[in-house]
Amino acid sequence: EDKVVQSPLSLVVHEGDTVTLNCSYEVTNFRSLLWYKQEKKAPTFLFMLTSSGIEKKSGRLSSILDKKELFSILNITATQTGDSAIYLCAALIRYNAGNNRKLIWGLGTSLAVNP
Amino acid sequence: DTEVTQTPKHLVMGMTNKKSLKCEQHMGHRAMYWYKQKAKKPPELMFVYSYEKLSINESVPSRFSPECPNSSLLNLHLHALQPEDSALYLCASSQVSTGNSGNTIYFGEGSWLTVV
Repeated sequence: EDKVVQSPLSLVVHEGDTVTLNCSYEVTNFRSLLWYKQEKKAPTFLFMLTSSGIEKKSGRLSSILDKKELFSILNITATQTGDSAIYLCAALIRYNAGNNRKLIWGLGTSLAVNP
Repeated sequence: DTEVTQTPKHLVMGMTNKKSLKCEQHMGHRAMYWYKQKAKKPPELMFVYSYEKLSINESVPSRFSPECPNSSLLNLHLHALQPEDSALYLCASSQVSTGNSGNTIYFGEGSWLTVV
């Protein structure tokens, strides 16, 4: 059965701290790994990772994929209260035949950044 | 522009009503999706359209009826819903993936549906 596991499930930090969120996956027909940030609305796309060992960065956020060990991490440096959200990791797989793709979601990490 | 627009943002409907959720994107994406999300859970896939044809139906009850009138629009028609269908309904779109590729899936802001 395809599964994505995120850890920790919740995290409380102070502003300025650095956090590392973990995502491991066991899926068939893996295509890519996506990270999303969700506040009280729809998931906002952060990163898509396809190749091992290549770090993607956007401001204070960065992410990397290890396809051999089947995991990814999302780092947030110098956290701010606006980083408080649920961070969702999802593995994009080929689904049924042809060009169909499906996201297999983790349960998310709920991050609270206190001032 | 990575925008998927959904309307309405909030909808309250009775169990005998017929209503529709609408979704629009102008990114040239030819894959469009409907997801359902309950509180504190990740999104659940409902339907996938590829080149305006339904390619995946995740065993969704027939009271939900999707429609893709053209490459930019996706509708979800709702009829005789149950209170347990209350949730955030998310539309998403992406390029159609081929071979070993996987493309980013972009989500709209969602429609909050309450069935009373």
